[in-house]
Amino acid sequence: NAGVTQTPKFQVLKTGQSMTLQCAQDMNHNSMYWYRQDPGMGLRLIYYSASEGTTDKGEVPNGYNVSRLNKREFSLRLESAAPSQTSVYFCASSEATEYGYTFGSGTRLTVV
Amino acid sequence: GESVGLHLPTLSVQEGDNSIINCAYSNSASDYFIWYKQESGKGPQFIIDIRSNMDKRQGQRVTVLLNKTVKHLSLQIAATQPGDSAVYFCAERDYNFNKFYFGSGTKLNVKP
Repeated sequence: NAGVTQTPKFQVLKTGQSMTLQCAQDMNHNSMYWYRQDPGMGLRLIYYSASEGTTDKGEVPNGYNVSRLNKREFSLRLESAAPSQTSVYFCASSEATEYGYTFGSGTRLTVV
Repeated sequence: GESVGLHLPTLSVQEGDNSIINCAYSNSASDYFIWYKQESGKGPQFIIDIRSNMDKRQGQRVTVLLNKTVKHLSLQIAATQPGDSAVYFCAERDYNFNKFYFGSGTKLNVKP
């Protein structure tokens, strides 16, 4: 099925560990995004990539890095995980930044 | 970020009744709005959108109303069904920055 695929779906990390969240889309979209969703709060933009080869910071980029590997894939890396990064992470894509997004099913990350 | 909020955090309705979910926004530069549905454990799913040059848009059982004078957006769901139970949130696009901002959501409970 066409859409946005995120891996893994669940992850538990110890403080200080690193990991990479993977995201791939097969809709030939130009723009990709990483959001985090915390209880009682709206989705907050971490990083986005308006097109292949470009990345920009969103509202809450601290503690994260991203790589737009190619047009399909956009990964999010936590270099040294902290409990404050416990959240549900969503990847999304869109044809362009001015259009609505298609979201993946999310990665639930717990940092202990 | 801009303020995108919802008036009611939880809404309970009887199956078959109509539901109305509200959203306030504060940015007069917002030119495009989307309603998303998020079921438990899943990513947000696009429901309906509306551009700022419109007041009303209808889909299948859903209607979105936009009142730019008071910066208010609503989602109406006709003949609400148990499958409509989810969190609904609105998103607004800032024309100047070409980014979306998301509200925190309203949880809709449909009672059989």
